[in-house]
Amino acid sequence: EAQVTQNPRYLITVTGKKLTVTCSQNMNHEYMSWYRQDPGLGLRQIYYSMNVEVTDKGDVPEGYKVSRKEKRNFPLILESPSPNQTSLYFCASSSPGQGSRGYTFGSGTRLTVV
Amino acid sequence: QQPVQSPQAVILREGEDAVINCSSSKALYSVHWYRQKHGEAPVFLMILLKGGEQKGHEKISASFNEKKQQSSLYLTASQLSYSGTYFCGTVRPSNNAGNMLTFGGGTRLMVKP
Repeated sequence: EAQVTQNPRYLITVTGKKLTVTCSQNMNHEYMSWYRQDPGLGLRQIYYSMNVEVTDKGDVPEGYKVSRKEKRNFPLILESPSPNQTSLYFCASSSPGQGSRGYTFGSGTRLTVV
Repeated sequence: QQPVQSPQAVILREGEDAVINCSSSKALYSVHWYRQKHGEAPVFLMILLKGGEQKGHEKISASFNEKKQQSSLYLTASQLSYSGTYFCGTVRPSNNAGNMLTFGGGTRLMVKP
């Protein structure tokens, strides 16, 4: 089944403890993105990647890092999480050759930083 | 800069119609529409690539006015399954690879029996 898989689904952590949220897609998509969703603010793009080793900042990149060493994986790294990073995170992927299909989203990761 | 969606929320009876608008202050290359049900991930509905283009998905259609930098989503004869939050996502010409997709704040739609 074509899908984007995020792990973990839920995570509670403490301020300053480094964490990684994994994202993997099995559709051979070139494009991958991370979004955070907060009430009243919609979906805001954190980072995106156009292909392996090609990444760029979105609208809210502060406090996050990403890497794209393999086409299928696009992990999101929080080096020193803070409470304002408590949010619902979505990974999404797409392909330029499938522009009519838009983005496929993962199931989301609900992160709480205390 | 995020596109602006209106209305923020709408309540319908089954069978009624609704229009959701998406407006940008910047020139647009394309517009995406997604629907998100409570507790789930957003699901792609359609993409509009050309000015004036219209597309349809079930009884849901959309238009894109490139000149006005606006898109509208039309829900006809709404069904209970249409309930959810609708997001437009815009891509600007400088990022026409489609990767810098900026979403609006969402429109919450509730369809009642």
